[in-house]
Amino acid sequence: EAGVAQSPRYKIIEKRQSVAFWCNPISGHATLYWYQQILGQGPKLLIQFQNNGVVDDSQLPKDRFSAERLKGVDSTLKIQPAKLEDSAVYLCASSLGIDFTYEQYFGPGTRLTVT
Amino acid sequence: GENVEQHPSTLSVQEGDSAVIKCTYSDSASNYFPWYKQELGKRPQLIIDIRSNVGEKKDQRIAVTLNKTAKHFSLHITETQPEDSAVYFCAASNTGNQFYFGTGTSLTVIP
Repeated sequence: EAGVAQSPRYKIIEKRQSVAFWCNPISGHATLYWYQQILGQGPKLLIQFQNNGVVDDSQLPKDRFSAERLKGVDSTLKIQPAKLEDSAVYLCASSLGIDFTYEQYFGPGTRLTVT
Repeated sequence: GENVEQHPSTLSVQEGDSAVIKCTYSDSASNYFPWYKQELGKRPQLIIDIRSNVGEKKDQRIAVTLNKTAKHFSLHITETQPEDSAVYFCAASNTGNQFYFGTGTSLTVIP
């Protein structure tokens, strides 16, 4: 079975610029997560989708971050404008659903450097 | 929300020795506790997990124990090998599949 796909793998931008990340979850997985992993720390949940609806976005900095999953499959995460402290790896993950605690699978991540 | 604490932050062991990493959680509603291994520059990989109705689970050299009363769970790696060197993360999840991660333990196995 194919895993979670993410692109791009690396991105370097200047502060105040915009950037977008893309994620394609494992086929059939209804739940999709975006995490921010700062170097030396554990993944921090930014937003969780169940199909095309948002389950939890309490830790998403909504003044600059946005995410969508319009058709309940692929998702994009956008940062506008970027700050230096946004430098991190952005991980996408997926699981079967939320009616039971299912295993979660991670994509390879996008490493963002803001200069 | 849930708070997961993980100790130690770094751990060095001699090859062949055992390694133990401990995590505590705060939310009694958490019912699923996975452990992930993350090698440098790679994605977190699930290595073992345990559900709240089980006290212990073992998979070859890796085992996890759970004490629901005390709200802590531990990862045990026996007969460590150099390829076990990585960062290990614990996590806790509740119904609704919201995952909360620990801060990670950097394990170094010295040949």
